[in-house]
Amino acid sequence: DQQVKQNSPSLSVQEGRISILNCDYTNSMFDYFLWYKKYPAEGPTFLISISSIKDKNEDGRFTVFLNKSAKHLSLHIVPSQPGDSAVYFCAASAGGTSYGKLTFGQGTILTVHP
Amino acid sequence: KAGVTQTPRYLIKTRGQQVTLSCSPISGHRSVSWYQQTPGQGLQFLFEYFSETQRNKGNFPGRFSGRQFSNSRSEMNVSTLELGDSALYLCASSVVSGGAGYGYTFGSGTRLTVV
Repeated sequence: DQQVKQNSPSLSVQEGRISILNCDYTNSMFDYFLWYKKYPAEGPTFLISISSIKDKNEDGRFTVFLNKSAKHLSLHIVPSQPGDSAVYFCAASAGGTSYGKLTFGQGTILTVHP
Repeated sequence: KAGVTQTPRYLIKTRGQQVTLSCSPISGHRSVSWYQQTPGQGLQFLFEYFSETQRNKGNFPGRFSGRQFSNSRSEMNVSTLELGDSALYLCASSVVSGGAGYGYTFGSGTRLTVV
């Protein structure tokens, strides 16, 4: 039972354009969502998070949008840079004492072309 | 500020053996979680420790166990290794457990190969 799904295995974008990575979830108990970036042979790097009381959170070039009714979140990267090329994972937790239990999607490989 | 340190980085073990992996969290971080990453299953949660207590546990067999020490360092142990245990094992730490707004910081992982 895959509770967090990233349906696009890969995404290719031109430098300077917007990258939009999508994530769907099924568990209504999830109330905290995170995005991580991962390079080969390294651990995931935390990018940005959002709690269920918000529908948008921005941090520099990264913006996460949350649509609770659709159980959908997305990560926007504007403008995209070649250094953004990596695997992006969305993750969710139920919060409270379950906060430390993150459920990850399968990841989307982002390639930004110069 | 030192990051999350996992040792060893690489490990080769034989089926049936047991293995212990170590994780030193960022100084001041009290929550430590462990994940297994495989090509087929992706990143899967193993367990989380906070103040030496296991707070959450994933759906792994009892061969997988862990503990946390008073200095927040954590170890995980896998007994009676199987070929399917070959994976990248990641440790992550956070300042708190249960507080929104804090992302978990991951280490670089231990690559375990079972032959």
